[in-house]
Amino acid sequence: DAGITQSPRHKVTETGTPVTLRCHQTENHRYMYWYRQDPGHGLRLIHYSYGVKDTDKGEVSDGYSVSRSKTEDFLLTLESATSSQTSVYFCAISRGEAAVEETQYFGPGTRLLVL
Amino acid sequence: GNSVTQMEGPVTLSEEAFLTINCTYTATGYPSLFWYVQYPGEGLQLLLKATKADDKGSNKGFEATYRKETTSFHLEKGSVQVSDSAVYFCALTPSNTGKLIFGQGTTLQVKP
Repeated sequence: DAGITQSPRHKVTETGTPVTLRCHQTENHRYMYWYRQDPGHGLRLIHYSYGVKDTDKGEVSDGYSVSRSKTEDFLLTLESATSSQTSVYFCAISRGEAAVEETQYFGPGTRLLVL
Repeated sequence: GNSVTQMEGPVTLSEEAFLTINCTYTATGYPSLFWYVQYPGEGLQLLLKATKADDKGSNKGFEATYRKETTSFHLEKGSVQVSDSAVYFCALTPSNTGKLIFGQGTTLQVKP
């Protein structure tokens, strides 16, 4: 158990509204990631962070922004939700410090429905 | 570019049958390779990994060998159980990037 929680676990929202998902970790690891899971695509990286205020884009970052003001929290924001962002969102951490360790540990996921 | 291709599912087996889930990859450099498992309603858990050619990862009776010559990392288990029913994801990390690239997942259903 890597001490990762995600909130909310389920959310229904309407097209055009902003949505923020939270990932919280209890072990102060440096690297954190956001993925989305869709049928036929596996998981795809949205954004990642390698420290407080250090973030970068992943494969499918359009329409998403992130923030990391504290080591333990990594926020994912859908600036104006669209139906194509209906998905299951997973947060992950890896435990490396000086260099990124490759094994990632995943949270329980947030199921988002955009109507 | 980097990519992972898994066999299409679902795979349906009877208990105690032999399991193979095929995974092939395309990558530059020397990636690390992973199998993750997702049980219904849960997040992903690391099942096994291999970090260099000819390494064998193993866990819970599952095995996979990193084959650079065939760019493959097939998952095998000699005797599956109903409790192995889950979605299995093959993934790679390009050298020292920390970014996981996943295959599309293979659903395994094991019937008693």
